[in-house]
Amino acid sequence: DAGVIQSPRHEVTEMGQEVTLRCKPISGHNSLFWYRQTMMRGLELLIYFNNNVPIDDSGMPEDRFSAKMPNASFSTLKIQPSEPRDSAVYFCASSFRSGLGEQYFGPGTRLTVT
Amino acid sequence: KQEVTQIPAALSVPEGENLVLNCSFTDSAIYNLQWFRQDPGKGLTSLLLIQSSQREQTSGRLNASLDKSSGRSTLYIAASQPGDSATYLCAPDSGGGADGLTFGKGTHLIIQP
Repeated sequence: DAGVIQSPRHEVTEMGQEVTLRCKPISGHNSLFWYRQTMMRGLELLIYFNNNVPIDDSGMPEDRFSAKMPNASFSTLKIQPSEPRDSAVYFCASSFRSGLGEQYFGPGTRLTVT
Repeated sequence: KQEVTQIPAALSVPEGENLVLNCSFTDSAIYNLQWFRQDPGKGLTSLLLIQSSQREQTSGRLNASLDKSSGRSTLYIAASQPGDSATYLCAPDSGGGADGLTFGKGTHLIIQP
């Protein structure tokens, strides 16, 4: 398996622009997670899905953030409009809920908002 | 709300030493605990997963222990090598893979050649 795939790997955008991050989980996994990592706050959970259904989005910082999972093999995290304080590395992870629950992380998307 | 503390925050030791990284968590109702490694500018690599019913788990030179009742886990690295230099993150799982992980700030480890 190719592991969790994220795109783009790097994104540089101007304040106010819309940003869409993409994730393909490991085939067969039924839980998907979006995390954000910054120097100040470390790794934080933003939102997660079980069987394509959003379960807990309490970690989403503001209404500017939204996430979707239209099918078992694809998820997006959208920021609209983006702000400089959104600059961070965004990770996607997936797991098989009925197994050990071990989470596997993608390589991340480094977002810079100028 | 789960809170995770990792001590020390940073550690620099000469090659060959055995070392211990510590992790404590406030909510002992966990399903398992994962240890990850993160290299600079990279993603997270899962090192070990200890189930709540286990006391320890081993992989090569790594050994992780879990004392669920006291909310503690340790990662033991034997015969450290420069390639072990990375940030090590501890993450207890309260949802059995169905919920998100709560991470500590990590231990930044440098192994001097």
